[in-house]
Amino acid sequence: GAVVSQHPSWVICKSGTSVKIECRSLDFQATTMFWYRQFPKQSLMLMATSNEGSKATYEQGVEKDKFLINHASLTLSTLTVTSAHPEDSSFYICSARDRWGSEQFFGPGTRLTVL
Amino acid sequence: GDSVTQMEGPVTLSEEAFLTINCTYTATGYPSLFWYVQYPGEGLQLLLKATKADDKGSNKGFEATYRKETTSFHLEKGSVQVSDSAVYFCALGGLNFNKFYFGSGTKLNVKP
Repeated sequence: GAVVSQHPSWVICKSGTSVKIECRSLDFQATTMFWYRQFPKQSLMLMATSNEGSKATYEQGVEKDKFLINHASLTLSTLTVTSAHPEDSSFYICSARDRWGSEQFFGPGTRLTVL
Repeated sequence: GDSVTQMEGPVTLSEEAFLTINCTYTATGYPSLFWYVQYPGEGLQLLLKATKADDKGSNKGFEATYRKETTSFHLEKGSVQVSDSAVYFCALGGLNFNKFYFGSGTKLNVKP
């Protein structure tokens, strides 16, 4: 099956710094990638939809300037958490959709801890 | 709008018990339906899917049937194992949907 990787798998940073998370589709071209944030007690929140070569579409309530998304190629999307604060600590998961759009393939997630 | 509702957990069962996790959906159009599983500290893995009404998805002893008349996609397994302990997500999406819609997840605990 299709493989999606994320890097790093975990990161600890100081408050006020920026953190970049990469999402790669390893064996297929992903025209669309999604970024999710998972809160305690498992609920999954879609943050934004990222289309290659265009601006991301953010869900209501998600700060565009806080969570910068770039989808520079058909195999790479990045999420940058700018000026991170402790409340940004969470598990961030990306997924990629193949060109047929029939299903999503998920990355293993990135645990962000902001001190 | 499009949405998925699944039963709240946690669900606690003894090994070899029968499992049902209910999932119902609302959709304008003809979605595909999915069950994903998430083990602790990991991302989501596709467990099974069904792309049209009356289809049955199955994998690793789990089954779910796409019921259009009841707008449901309940997950079942005849005999659970401790290794099945995880969080299960029901979802809808597909070709004609610009994003996927997930249920809130159901945590399953299986005790030996």
